[in-house]
Amino acid sequence: AQSVTQLGSHVSVSEGALVLLRCNYSSSVPPYLFWYVQYPNQGLQLLLKYTSAATLVKGINGFEAEFKKSETSFHLTKPSAHMSDAAEYFCAVKQGNNRLAFGKGNQVVVIP
Amino acid sequence: EAGVAQSPRYKIIEKRQSVAFWCNPISGHATLYWYQQILGQGPKLLIQFQNNGVVDDSQLPKDRFSAERLKGVDSTLKIQPAKLEDSAVYLCASSLDKGARETQYFGPGTRLLVL
Repeated sequence: AQSVTQLGSHVSVSEGALVLLRCNYSSSVPPYLFWYVQYPNQGLQLLLKYTSAATLVKGINGFEAEFKKSETSFHLTKPSAHMSDAAEYFCAVKQGNNRLAFGKGNQVVVIP
Repeated sequence: EAGVAQSPRYKIIEKRQSVAFWCNPISGHATLYWYQQILGQGPKLLIQFQNNGVVDDSQLPKDRFSAERLKGVDSTLKIQPAKLEDSAVYLCASSLDKGARETQYFGPGTRLLVL
């Protein structure tokens, strides 16, 4: 079954610095990949998704992700971190039965 | 457009008690999902409905968990009896349909603490 791996549960980034969250997938078929963000005491909000169109996907709040088949990766980036980016970020892949399989998440801390 | 609604937002019960959660999906969304999110982990699908039928309940602990979506709109998830390890956030999500490209929209969740 398809799965995703997110390494490093906590990520600290200085305000204004690059945000980079890594996601690697395992899939025997072309995957559909998603990044969600979860703010404290809230549900998950879709940042962006890859559904086999353009490999560079732009999302909300200045985030983007690039699908790289050769590296089985779908890393999330934002050029300049804001304090409001402090949240938990989840990578997910659609499995064959349409179930979303999530990674363990990255807790992002933004340092002023 | 109203989002996915869930209630209650918080619930504290003692082990062996029963509890029920309610979810109202986005209007017109045929597919409804219940996820369990244990602290420090990503959400795990418990059950998926297409209208009022069950599509996938392979990860639902059926000895204690049950869910229904009788009229194909809102849904309830019940735990009876609860165990300590059921402490988690229960997220409801909905999508327009069950296609692979469909986006799932999540509610705010119900945070359950079992003592």
